[in-house]
Amino acid sequence: QVQLQESGPGLVKPSGTLSLTCAVSGASISSRNWWSWVRQPPGKGLEWIGEIYESGSTNYNPALKSRVTISVDKSKNQFSLNLNSVTAADTAMYYCARGEQQVVMGAFDAWAHGTMVTVSS
Amino acid sequence: QSVLTQPPSVSGAPGQRITISCTGSSSNIGANQDVHWYQQLPGAAPKLLIYGNSNRPSGVPDRFSGSKSGTSASLSITRLQAEDEADYYCQSYDSSLFWVFGGGTKLTVL
Repeated sequence: QVQLQESGPGLVKPSGTLSLTCAVSGASISSRNWWSWVRQPPGKGLEWIGEIYESGSTNYNPALKSRVTISVDKSKNQFSLNLNSVTAADTAMYYCARGEQQVVMGAFDAWAHGTMVTVSS
Repeated sequence: QSVLTQPPSVSGAPGQRITISCTGSSSNIGANQDVHWYQQLPGAAPKLLIYGNSNRPSGVPDRFSGSKSGTSASLSITRLQAEDEADYYCQSYDSSLFWVFGGGTKLTVL
């Protein structure tokens, strides 16, 4: 059973960089799936941030593309999110998820519990 | 404004049937892209409920069903139960925006 676990600071200063890592267990990150980051501001809906493939290929939400970098570390079976120039609008619960390609047609079938990141001085 | 439009809220009594709509456009649902549905219980991460428009992952009760037609999709829940009270999100792939979610629908079981 695949499990995902985020880690990273819960508080980031305005204009700083938000950095999170998602550790994958129970499955290889090199399993021909896409790995995504999704966020949810308090009381609001889900927003897809971006995704990465095992090869390192990435796709980003155009609204965030200029500030986002997603990378993969296959040796550690994890992937990471960097979001720079953050403002209070980036305060949200951040989730990492697997976009499973073989069975559920790319749907996000495994999610981490989420980590709350607050942007504040 | 979300690219996929859902009603903000729906409600129903236990035992009843409800339907949640998800309206997209020719660049996502109407472009023959699959629609997936997620259930988010209070304080929890989203959980995959329906994939590929109408398929249920293992463990999801058959009270939940999905359908798609044209530029819209819908999620139906029959024999409504108190434990179904949650937020529901549709998701599809957009030719310009990659993955997009609906704004979410809050289901209240009366």
